[in-house]
Amino acid sequence: DAGVTQSPTHLIKTRGQQVTLRCSPKSGHDTVSWYQQALGQGPQFIFQYYEEEERQRGNFPDRFSGHQFPNYSSELNVNALLLGDSALYLCASSFLGRGGGGELFFGEGSRLTVL
Amino acid sequence: AQKVTQAQTEISVVEKEDVTLDCVYETRDTTYYLFWYKQPPSGELVFLIRRNSFDEQNEISGRYSWNFQKSTSSFNFTITASQVVDSAVYFCALSEAKTSGSRLTFGEGTQLTVNP
Repeated sequence: DAGVTQSPTHLIKTRGQQVTLRCSPKSGHDTVSWYQQALGQGPQFIFQYYEEEERQRGNFPDRFSGHQFPNYSSELNVNALLLGDSALYLCASSFLGRGGGGELFFGEGSRLTVL
Repeated sequence: AQKVTQAQTEISVVEKEDVTLDCVYETRDTTYYLFWYKQPPSGELVFLIRRNSFDEQNEISGRYSWNFQKSTSSFNFTITASQVVDSAVYFCALSEAKTSGSRLTFGEGTQLTVNP
């Protein structure tokens, strides 16, 4: 049973560029959440997708956007990259349908470096 | 607003010592979940425990134990007879019950180093 998978694992971009990160949830899960973890800090909630819609959003600017596909996989897009966007981006999946408990399972993350 | 504080940034112990990681939280919700996660160098957050705010019973799982005290808003984590493999960053987290534990507020983490 595959867990949460993310790609790419590492990438380097320059300021002003755009980036797309991808996530495949754990088998049987229907919800994907994204977190940003800066070096030496705890993860911060970006947003959550369920039934292909953004359901909750943290305190992140509109440069951060996402999408969920019918197969429950998800993308995180960041436009106009800033140096401060350098971080580990973690994807977490859970099951919310039919009153599921929603326990989060995390992937190993995509490490983004902005130069 | 929710907040989680892990006052210990780094802890270093010698193998077989017991170690307690502290966690203090703030929330206005009456129903919430508390979590502990372990983050090894690979980056993946590994789930350790979830505790419902209505359940104040302490829990033990092997060498791990958790002490939840609602009166002091604390949810501390103890590793007994620590091992080198316990070396990692440990995060305490909090979520509203209405999100079913899917939107977490994390603390800053405690880096635990267990030396042989």
